[in-house]
Amino acid sequence: GAVVSQHPSWVICKSGTSVKIECRSLDFQATTMFWYRQFPKQSLMLMATSNEGSKATYEQGVEKDKFLINHASLTLSTLTVTSAHPEDSSFYICSASFAIWSNQPQHFGDGTRLSIL
Amino acid sequence: AQTVTQSQPEMSVQEAETVTLSCTYDTSESDYYLFWYKQPPSRQMILVIRQEAYKQQNATENRFSVNFQKAAKSFSLKISDSQLGDAAMYFCAYRRDVSSGSARQLTFGSGTQLTVLP
Repeated sequence: GAVVSQHPSWVICKSGTSVKIECRSLDFQATTMFWYRQFPKQSLMLMATSNEGSKATYEQGVEKDKFLINHASLTLSTLTVTSAHPEDSSFYICSASFAIWSNQPQHFGDGTRLSIL
Repeated sequence: AQTVTQSQPEMSVQEAETVTLSCTYDTSESDYYLFWYKQPPSRQMILVIRQEAYKQQNATENRFSVNFQKAAKSFSLKISDSQLGDAAMYFCAYRRDVSSGSARQLTFGSGTQLTVLP
């Protein structure tokens, strides 16, 4: 089945640091990738949708200057948390979709646990 | 906008017994997809089962089956012969049936934490 790799799985860094999270589709071309944020014991909240070669679409309330998304190729999307602060600590998950597969589910990465000290 | 409601924050079941998790949704569209995802403590999102709205037959995957009531906008998950490995957070999700990839975002319910008792 389709595989999505997310890296790193866990990162701890100091406040003010920028952190980059990668989401790769390993065996298919992901024309669309989604980035979610999840707080403990809560549901997944969609942050943004990225299409290959174009600007990401952010959900209401998500700071686009704080969470930079790049989808430069059909197999890679990145989320950069700029000048991270403790309130940015969370679990971030990406998922990928292939345009032609209209009846196929999204494929999720394993998530990244971000801890800002 | 579509909404997905899971009214049971927590459920428990005895090992080998059957449990049903509830999910209701609201949409004005006639074509869509519904999913149940499992998220164990590892936090990996695992697809359990999916249902196409145009199909009247309820989906089944081994011990997992759904009761899809389109008119009532209800989509419950039944787990038979529960196993310890079934313990996880279960999310119900809705997705539009559209050709645009970017519009195929998932709308998740709030989740149900399932505990399996030995």
